[in-house]
Amino acid sequence: DAKTTQPPSMDCAEGRAANLPCNHSTISGNEYVYWYRQIHSQGPQYIIHGLKNNETNEMASLIITEDRKSSTLILPHATLRDTAVYYCIVSRGSARQLTFGSGTQLTVLP
Amino acid sequence: GAVVSQHPSRVICKSGTSVKIECRSLDFQATTMFWYRQFPKQSLMLMATSNEGSKATYEQGVEKDKFLINHASLTLSTLTVTSAHPEDSSFYICSAAGTDSYEQYFGPGTRLTVT
Repeated sequence: DAKTTQPPSMDCAEGRAANLPCNHSTISGNEYVYWYRQIHSQGPQYIIHGLKNNETNEMASLIITEDRKSSTLILPHATLRDTAVYYCIVSRGSARQLTFGSGTQLTVLP
Repeated sequence: GAVVSQHPSRVICKSGTSVKIECRSLDFQATTMFWYRQFPKQSLMLMATSNEGSKATYEQGVEKDKFLINHASLTLSTLTVTSAHPEDSSFYICSAAGTDSYEQYFGPGTRLTVT
């Protein structure tokens, strides 16, 4: 599976949008972009995934560039409970193993 | 989303003893389950992949005789840490995937401390 690159940390003011970038320049055509987050001392939580098109659900939006070499996870109105490590992962599907990088520590500030 | 449970949530054991951790998918059939380990301030590292009814596939560097994995049913997988040592102290997390979903569902994790 392709490797991803994320900034180690980001801050965001409560109520503002949090935009988390991810580079995956070696992604192949059959690989999806997944986003998970892990709140301290808990198991990872699925957020969203996409292949080519932008996706939106009740938690977040995923914007994938046309060349698919990078993506951005958007939390539209960040709350203190969104403070977590966010992992961008490229994988060929749910039954495939997920390779976790170091992720981005998002801290939402009051 | 689907629910995956782990039991126990935390366990303390003495060096040399064995510990069993259970991972259950509560509302779906998990054809594939994964076991991860996470040391403090580090990311999750995959230990093994198991398919129901088959032997687990272990990642390089993970001893299959030390970390016994059983996936005997579509809703239960167990990880047994045999002859545990203090260096096995870690956060163990399982995940489960069905055949018709794009998501992997993670359990809440088990904190193992070996004294």
